[in-house]
Amino acid sequence: DGGITQSPKYLFRKEGQNVTLSCEQNLNHDAMYWYRQDPGQGLRLIYYSQIVNDFQKGDIAEGYSVSREKKESFPLTVTSAQKNPTAFYLCASSMHPGGPRLEQFFGPGTRLTVL
Amino acid sequence: SQELEQSPQSLIVQEGKNLTINCTSSKTLYGLYWYKQKYGEGLIFLMMLQKGGEEKSHEKITAKLDEKKQQSSLHITASQPSHAGIYLCGADRTQGAQKLVFGQGTRLTINP
Repeated sequence: DGGITQSPKYLFRKEGQNVTLSCEQNLNHDAMYWYRQDPGQGLRLIYYSQIVNDFQKGDIAEGYSVSREKKESFPLTVTSAQKNPTAFYLCASSMHPGGPRLEQFFGPGTRLTVL
Repeated sequence: SQELEQSPQSLIVQEGKNLTINCTSSKTLYGLYWYKQKYGEGLIFLMMLQKGGEEKSHEKITAKLDEKKQQSSLHITASQPSHAGIYLCGADRTQGAQKLVFGQGTRLTINP
């Protein structure tokens, strides 16, 4: 079955530690996205990538980093510079960025808690 | 303030009743997406609207985009327990890359 997987589902880290969230898709989608969701708020875009080896900052990129070395993978690192990292993180992908508008498909999410 | 405002923020309805959720922007939208989310899970795509005046339906859910492309409504007819969840509207701000902004969500509860 095609889809997007995120791992782990729950992640606990101590303050000051970097942590990497995994996102893999086998939909052959060109574009991938990372969003952050906080209670009572909508999703906010962290980073997005339209093609391998290229990515752009979203609205709240500070304290985060990404890489796109393979089409199917878009890992997100939450660094110690991120002041409020505790949140629900969602990865998404879509086909043909910049072409006809198509929906974004979302993964199941990773809940990160920083202690 | 939110770039996309959803109303109401929460809604409790009796099973079988109709309901409407609204999504409003102060700017023209280039694409309007409706998603449903179960708490703690990913988003499930419902519908996408692009043209002013466009209306789409899937099963008992109908979504409309107004002529000026600044407001959308999601209407559920004869609500069922399976409709419960959080409904989010998302919108393209540009004509290029799909950089979506989202409303804060509407939490829908269906009482039996």
